[in-house]
Amino acid sequence: DAKTTQPNSMESNEEEPVHLPCNHSTISGTDYIHWYRQLPSQGPEYVIHGLTSNVNNRMASLAIAEDRKSSTLILHRATLRDAAVYYCILRDATPANNAGNMLTFGGGTRLMVKP
Amino acid sequence: DAGITQSPRHKVTETGTPVTLRCHQTENHRYMYWYRQDPGHGLRLIHYSYGVKDTDKGEVSDGYSVSRSKTEDFLLTLESATSSQTSVYFCAIRRQGADEQFFGPGTRLTVL
Repeated sequence: DAKTTQPNSMESNEEEPVHLPCNHSTISGTDYIHWYRQLPSQGPEYVIHGLTSNVNNRMASLAIAEDRKSSTLILHRATLRDAAVYYCILRDATPANNAGNMLTFGGGTRLMVKP
Repeated sequence: DAGITQSPRHKVTETGTPVTLRCHQTENHRYMYWYRQDPGHGLRLIHYSYGVKDTDKGEVSDGYSVSRSKTEDFLLTLESATSSQTSVYFCAIRRQGADEQFFGPGTRLTVL
């Protein structure tokens, strides 16, 4: 399975943008890039996902490098509620390889937001 | 809110006893998953289901069994609990054709 590398932790100031990096140098053509976050004492929460093009939704933006070997999750204006562990995950979309659409979580990045 | 509940939310049990955790969904999604999370680690998949009576193993399935006799319930059973199975267990669901999974609130299991 393709793996991802993320910094263990990052700090941000409230109301400033946050860029969370993820390296996935062994990504294959059928791997989707997913981001989930986990707030303290809660289950993970879906944030965003993409394949090749940049993606935007109400929670965040996902910027994918042209060679797809890295991506960046962008929170446009961090709030205290965004303090969480953010997981960058590669999901193999090939039915033969991943019939169950399984997600493989790594260690994630712990984001701390300062008021 | 994806309508997922887990029960019990907390359980303390002794080594060697059987334990069953329940995941219940109200939206008839086809796919259901059981993960475990240990301190300082991401989630690891135990088993998943792609329909009633259809299940498959995940990354860490040893010591666990599952059953899905109806769409809304996915049960995780530890036949004989061990201390290494002390963990937080999360259930997730996914609609067919969708990419995102929705997670339940978790069950904290302690095996003494």
